[in-house]
Amino acid sequence: GAVVSQHPSRVICKSGTSVKIECRSLDFQATTMFWYRQFPKQSLMLMATSNEGSKATYEQGVEKDKFLINHASLTLSTLTVTSAHPEDSSFYICSARQFNEQFFGPGTRLTVL
Amino acid sequence: GNSVTQMEGPVTLSEEAFLTINCTYTATGYPSLFWYVQYPGEGLQLLLKATKADDKGSNKGFEATYRKETTSFHLEKGSVQVSDSAVYFCAYRSNDYKLSFGAGTTVTVRA
Repeated sequence: GAVVSQHPSRVICKSGTSVKIECRSLDFQATTMFWYRQFPKQSLMLMATSNEGSKATYEQGVEKDKFLINHASLTLSTLTVTSAHPEDSSFYICSARQFNEQFFGPGTRLTVL
Repeated sequence: GNSVTQMEGPVTLSEEAFLTINCTYTATGYPSLFWYVQYPGEGLQLLLKATKADDKGSNKGFEATYRKETTSFHLEKGSVQVSDSAVYFCAYRSNDYKLSFGAGTTVTVRA
């Protein structure tokens, strides 16, 4: 149980385009999901907390207009990287909270050309 | 502010060697502490956790004890296997359920 999926696993896009990443809790409902960013050989940095039915809470330094988060249902949260640029290239990981634990998705590798 | 500091890698070991990865934290209150593991090409998995002082988390031969007096949560395994090659992250969870991660330690076990 407690499986979290992400789609797509990899995406390559041109600079200036927008990319949507989906995070789904497959076998449980999650009122809270988290989005992280991981740079090569570095740790995970929390970007935002996504709450079902309400606005996301962004960490300091994360542009909310750049990284749009929508948590429209109890099993789905989406992260849209708007007007992507090469510096947005990274590994994006989501997690879904069930009780007191977070269960992580496998991550999405975004490459912006 | 709150933070987690873990031993920098990479760490390379031979099979059956003893592994220790140090982790210390700075936090207000009494956070829950975790070790996560990221195998090559996979997402993070919870390895073990401890929610209060003196608790010992254990799983797959790994152990870590929540030491309040030294604010530490060092990960240990007595005899590593090649399959233990992965990146290990120490983390703490604050009261708002947010996780803060250490930098990660890459462990390579050679046969």
